[in-house]
Amino acid sequence: GAGVSQSPSNKVTEKGKDVELRCDPISGHTALYWYRQSLGQGLEFLIYFQGNSAPDKSGLPSDRFSAERTGGSVSTLTIQRTQQEDSAVYLCASSLTGGTASNQPQHFGDGTRLSIL
Amino acid sequence: GESVGLHLPTLSVQEGDNSIINCAYSNSASDYFIWYKQESGKGPQFIIDIRSNMDKRQGQRVTVLLNKTVKHLSLQIAATQPGDSAVYFCAENRAGTASKLTFGTGTRLQVTL
Repeated sequence: GAGVSQSPSNKVTEKGKDVELRCDPISGHTALYWYRQSLGQGLEFLIYFQGNSAPDKSGLPSDRFSAERTGGSVSTLTIQRTQQEDSAVYLCASSLTGGTASNQPQHFGDGTRLSIL
Repeated sequence: GESVGLHLPTLSVQEGDNSIINCAYSNSASDYFIWYKQESGKGPQFIIDIRSNMDKRQGQRVTVLLNKTVKHLSLQIAATQPGDSAVYFCAENRAGTASKLTFGTGTRLQVTL
C-alpha cells in the first residue's frame, strides 16, 4: 500500500524566501508528525497533529515556522524568511492513532531536503 | 539533560554474524520504544517496537531487548546481511508526551563481506 508521501523531495531556495513543504500521510492515519534531521544528526520533533488540531507544537524552533493540516489528511509545513540554519531534511510521519496511550509506530516518508543558499 | 543515546557510533560486522546495537535512555517514565533503520537518502523505516511491560520482542531476524533496571535497549540482528547496512536509531516515547518520539543520535552498521 501507499506510504507517507512528501513533496518536493528537494528544495533549494535563497535566504529570506518562504517555503512550503507538503506531506500526504498514510490513508486512515489520524496522527501526523513533522521532524527535522540535520546532517548526521538524529531526528528533532517539530509538531504533532491529531486530526486537524495540533496539540503539541513545542518543537517549532521559531515563529517563522508554522504548519497546518486540512481534512484530517494533507499537511503543509511553512517556513517564512528562511535562514541558512533552516537547511535540513524535513521528515513527516503518520500513525494510525495518536495520544499518550496509543503506542502506535510512526511511519516516515523520505523527507524533503531543504537547502538555503 | 535527558536524552536517548547510543554507545557506539559505528559498528562493523562480518556478513553472517549477529549484530547487537545498543541504546541507553535516561527517562524512566518512557513507556514505548522503537527501532528504526535509515538508509542514505531515505526516511527512517520501522523495524520493531516494544512496550515497557515487556522485556523482549522478536521479529523476523531481529530481537529487541529492554532492561528497565538499567534503562537499556538493544537491537539484535541475526545473520547480518549486506542489506542491513544502514544507520539505526532507537526512539522513545515518554509517557504523557502525546506520542512524540525522542530519537538517539544513531549507530552506523557496516556489513563487511
